[in-house]
This record gives sequence, C-alpha cells and structure tokens, in this order.
Amino acid sequence: DQQVKQNSPSLSVQEGRISILNCDYTNSMFDYFLWYKKYPAEGPTFLISISSIKDKNEDGRFTVFLNKSAKHLSLHIVPSQPGDSAVYFCAAIDDSWGKFQFGAGTQVVVTP
Amino acid sequence: NAGVTQTPKFQVLKTGQSMTLQCAQDMNHEYMSWYRQDPGMGLRLIHYSVGAGITDQGEVPNGYNVSRSTTEDFPLRLLSAAPSQTSVYFCASSRGDEKLFFGSGTQLSVL
Repeated sequence: DQQVKQNSPSLSVQEGRISILNCDYTNSMFDYFLWYKKYPAEGPTFLISISSIKDKNEDGRFTVFLNKSAKHLSLHIVPSQPGDSAVYFCAAIDDSWGKFQFGAGTQVVVTP
Repeated sequence: NAGVTQTPKFQVLKTGQSMTLQCAQDMNHEYMSWYRQDPGMGLRLIHYSVGAGITDQGEVPNGYNVSRSTTEDFPLRLLSAAPSQTSVYFCASSRGDEKLFFGSGTQLSVL
C-alpha cells in the first residue's frame, strides 16, 4: 500500500512557464518531505525538502508547498527550462529513521 | 569525489543464479540503503543499515540479503535470482540529516 502517491505520471510544459508537480500522502506521522530529480541512466539527486513545521520552502526556481491538513505537497518550478526535463520523485519520512517512502514519480518534459 | 559507487552497471542473470551487487561510499555516512525502481512503482526500499553491523528490512526484502561489515560497503546479495527481480537497483547513503545520496544504479535482467 503506497503511502506516498504521485497521481500524474507525466507533465508537459512550455519553456518559461510554471511546472506544478503534486504529491499526496496518507501517513500523518510523516514529518519531513523531499523532492528528487532523476535523469535517465543516473541516480536520483536531491532537489529540495520541507519540514512539517513549515508550509513553504524556496530554493531559486524551485518552491515546495506543504498542506498538512490535506496531506498534500507540491513542487513549483518557475520558470521551467529544458534542463528540467526529468523524472521527479516525492519522498517522505517519519521518525523511524531510515525508512523513506517514495512516490511513483512524474516525468516532466519541457518543450521549447 | 566519488560519492556512492555501484558495480556493476549492467548484469544479466539466468533464473536461479546468485550474485552480489556492490555499493561503496566515501562520505563516512552511517546510513546506507538499497532501493529498486520499477515502472509505476517508484523507489521501494529493500534493506537498510544505520551503521556497521546493523541491518534491517525495508518494504520488499524477500529474495535479498545484506550485511554491513564496514562503514563504507553495503553489498546486496541475490540468493537465487527470479524474473521478478528484473529491475534497476539503487544504493543510497546519508549522514542522518534526511538527505539521501544515490549511486548511478545497476540495471539487472533475470532471464
């Protein structure tokens, strides 16, 4: 039973526009959330994270929003660039250190 | 600046064969883990370790063994390969601050 869900397997966006990736979770004990980016034939790389005590975290073009009451987080990429074309994974962890739960991923394609 | 190194990058096995996927990190991270990536399933945790001599099961541990004799190395053993173990395997490490560093992956096919 997946506790972290990314319901959109793919997203196509024009260069310069905003990309919005969504993630839902079911475990109310999750207290830390992360986004990873993955290119083909490479391992995932850390992008941005947010603690459950915050509702927003920003790093350059990337912003993560957390809505605890809805058990929902989103990643905004503004503006989208061709190099952002990748698979994005949402992940969550509770206080059982070591057991990260990942979503299924969203394939983002940024078109010129 | 190697980070997390996985070998081999590609492997083809026949059903019933055994093999070991190697993982080494040079960041002195206490935490190491193995994930498998399957289409539509995301990354699923197989086994993890919070330090040398300590291992625990993740979400999908059946058919896999691990050991952690040193801080640097965390090999994953397939005891008797099955077609259901065809997947991409990732090793990851962390110092415990909740950010995982991943290796580049091993693509395994079991025929």
